[in-house]
Amino acid sequence: GEDVEQSLFLSVREGDSSVINCTYTDSSSTYLYWYKQEPGAGLQLLTYIFSNMDMKQDQRLTVLLNKKDKHLSLRIADTQTGDSAIYFCAEELSGGYQKVTFGTGTKLQVIP
Amino acid sequence: DAEITQSPRHKITETGRQVTLACHQTWNHNNMFWYRQDLGHGLRLIHYSYGVQDTNKGEVSDGYSVSRSNTEDLPLTLESAASSQTSVYFCASSESGGKLGEYFGPGTRLTVL
Repeated sequence: GEDVEQSLFLSVREGDSSVINCTYTDSSSTYLYWYKQEPGAGLQLLTYIFSNMDMKQDQRLTVLLNKKDKHLSLRIADTQTGDSAIYFCAEELSGGYQKVTFGTGTKLQVIP
Repeated sequence: DAEITQSPRHKITETGRQVTLACHQTWNHNNMFWYRQDLGHGLRLIHYSYGVQDTNKGEVSDGYSVSRSNTEDLPLTLESAASSQTSVYFCASSESGGKLGEYFGPGTRLTVL
């Protein structure tokens, strides 16, 4: 079955770059997503990438997709304390919304 | 401003009771979703809807039902609450043909005793 894995925790200093990684097992993914969840709040869609793309950049966010290794990463440039949150990757497979798997989340701690 | 709201924010109920969680969005989105979030798991899809009168089962739909009588609302009903349904529930919406769960509500924390 499908599985999406993330490391549990990442700590970085303010101003440094953060790289959050995600691996998935199903090669039939159509879209891959990154969400941010702040304490007590719902998820916020940050960005997404089509599976036929290798990279997508959106201001301070860069998404890299390595389909061969089934590896997805989110790079946050110039990390700020407001970036402290839990980050989830999610994989949507062909077949629609019912074929969706979320990772367990990576908690990003930004140290001032 | 458009928004997506959930009510109640917190609910405590007893095993066997019927519970309904409300979700209301003013984005005029056709797609709406219900997820549950549990420790050690990512979000898991319960039900989703592409539009009025349309409902579909997600990965963990057993024990839950939804109805879509208008664009704005997708209430989630637990027919007979079980302790395994203690969780945080999130509603989400997205535009037609759009992204998975583009906007999320603030969540409802449900405890089944």
